[in-house]
Amino acid sequence: EAGVAQSPRYKIIEKRQSVAFWCNPISGHATLYWYQQILGQGPKLLIQFQNNGVVDDSQLPKDRFSAERLKGVDSTLKIQPAKLEDSAVYLCASSRSGVTETQYFGPGTRLLVL
Amino acid sequence: DQQVKQNSPSLSVQEGRISILNCDYTNSMFDYFLWYKKYPAEGPTFLISISSIKDKNEDGRFTVFLNKSAKHLSLHIVPSQPGDSAVYFCAAEDSGANNLFFGTGTRLTVIP
Repeated sequence: EAGVAQSPRYKIIEKRQSVAFWCNPISGHATLYWYQQILGQGPKLLIQFQNNGVVDDSQLPKDRFSAERLKGVDSTLKIQPAKLEDSAVYLCASSRSGVTETQYFGPGTRLLVL
Repeated sequence: DQQVKQNSPSLSVQEGRISILNCDYTNSMFDYFLWYKKYPAEGPTFLISISSIKDKNEDGRFTVFLNKSAKHLSLHIVPSQPGDSAVYFCAAEDSGANNLFFGTGTRLTVIP
């Protein structure tokens, strides 16, 4: 089966610009996650979707970050406006249903904010 | 507040020897623990897991041990192979809270 797809793989922007990342989960996976991984740290959950509903967005900086999962399949994560500290790898993961199921990660999008 | 800690940022081991990666956690509500392996420019891939009702789980060369009283788990790889060289992340979840917490990772280098 095809894995989790993410695009773009790399993005360089200047601070205060906006950026969007796209994720296509494994077919049939109901749960989708966005993680932020800052250099030298482990992934940190930003938002979790179950189908097209938000399960947990408690760690999403909602003043600048937004995410949606229309039709319960693909998802986009947006940052507007970006700050220097947003430089990180943004990982998308999916699981069949819920966090107790194994999460499968995409390759990530590496963002550099200058 | 780091709830899952991997205090060794790196580890080097000779090929054929045992690799032991350690992980500590602070939240007593965690009831499921996982290890992920990550190669450069790739996302983490699931390696092995253990439920809090067990103290050991084995899968081929990989064994995870859980010591709930010490809030400590470890991953043993034996024998270590050069292809095992990667960053290993420990993760823990409270299934009731529906969230997964990752450690900061340990970079394992297996020397041929």
